[in-house]
Amino acid sequence: TQLLEQSPQFLSIQEGENLTVYCNSSSVFSSLQWYRQEPGEGPVLLVTVVTGGEVKKLKRLTFQFGDARKDSSLHITAAQPGDTGLYLCAGAGNQFYFGTGTSLTVIP
Amino acid sequence: ETGVTQSPTHLIKTRGQQVTLRCSSQSGHNTVSWYQQALGQGPQFIFQYYREEENGRGNFPPRFSGLQFPNYSSELNVNALELDDSALYLCASSLGGLGTEAFFGQGTRLTVV
Repeated sequence: TQLLEQSPQFLSIQEGENLTVYCNSSSVFSSLQWYRQEPGEGPVLLVTVVTGGEVKKLKRLTFQFGDARKDSSLHITAAQPGDTGLYLCAGAGNQFYFGTGTSLTVIP
Repeated sequence: ETGVTQSPTHLIKTRGQQVTLRCSSQSGHNTVSWYQQALGQGPQFIFQYYREEENGRGNFPPRFSGLQFPNYSSELNVNALELDDSALYLCASSLGGLGTEAFFGQGTRLTVV
């Protein structure tokens, strides 16, 4: 059973386009984190959101935590080839749950 | 660089064998967690150690076991290896419990043949 479902699973876009990745659950999390993972590497933490409704911006990346703390989104503006990677959401409950992952490819 | 190092980086084992993977935590971090990541999927939580005690476990059988040492480094042991154990094994260190900022190592790629 996957507690955190991400959509889409795969995304291939042209450089300069915008995109949104969704992370949904029926469970409430005390915090939610987003990671980016490149092939052969471990995940790298991008952001942690804690408060329902919270919005955090990291340059061209905007993260939002749902009001009920069950879902989150990641929006990338003007995607660049360097954004290519596997994006993972993760939530803290009685254990640490990772989402199913979204594989993003940005084509130059 | 996260300061978390794992060894070895790659490993090939035969079904039925035993394997030990190692993780050196980031300096000052007292918590280490282990994850299994199959190709194309998100990591699955195996267990977490805090100050040498296991304080959280995912849905993995008892043949997956671990240790944390006084210097907070850690080992993951897997007995009676199965083909499905082939995966990337990730270690993460943090200061505090689940949900606190965790820093991952580069992983150990285990192949069971």
